[in-house]
Amino acid sequence: ETGVTQSPTHLIKTRGQQVTLRCSSQSGHNTVSWYQQALGQGPQFIFQYYREEENGRGNFPPRFSGLQFPNYSSELNVNALELDDSALYLCASSLVIGASYEQYFGPGTRLTVT
Amino acid sequence: AQTVTQSQPEMSVQEAETVTLSCTYDTSENNYYLFWYKQPPSRQMILVIRQEAYKQQNATENRFSVNFQKAAKSFSLKISDSQLGDTAMYFCAFWGSSGDKLTFGTGTRLAVRP
Repeated sequence: ETGVTQSPTHLIKTRGQQVTLRCSSQSGHNTVSWYQQALGQGPQFIFQYYREEENGRGNFPPRFSGLQFPNYSSELNVNALELDDSALYLCASSLVIGASYEQYFGPGTRLTVT
Repeated sequence: AQTVTQSQPEMSVQEAETVTLSCTYDTSENNYYLFWYKQPPSRQMILVIRQEAYKQQNATENRFSVNFQKAAKSFSLKISDSQLGDTAMYFCAFWGSSGDKLTFGTGTRLAVRP
């Protein structure tokens, strides 16, 4: 069984640029969630996708957007990058929406905005 | 909104000894789930243990056990026979009726001394 994978591992961007982070869910999982983890903090929920539609969203501005594809892989897009967007971005997949508390995390993408 | 508080930023324990990490939470819900996650330097968030609020019996997983006090909204993690591999950040997390996100505490950094 393949676990959750994320790419790239590390990324450096300049303020104002746009970035796309990718996630491949664990095999058979149809729900994906994204979290932002700033240095020294716990992860903060960005949004969740189920069957290619946003199912819930945290307190993040619209420049944070996502996609989920038919194969349940997912993207997180951030426009107009700000210095405070520097963080570890974690993707987590769940087997079914009704039990999406069973979340399996990927290794994360470390984004640095300069 | 739910909040999760971890009041111990750092803890240290001698190898083979027992350590307890504290977590309190605030919610008006009656049915929810509580979790402890481990995040080693590799950054992968790993589920350590889960507790369903409707279960009175405390969850155990090998050397890991919890003390769940629902009325006090307290959820501590006990690690017995600590091992060097237990060195990591530990996060307490809450899953409630919104059904779309984990709410994390700020974490406790645990160091196991040889």
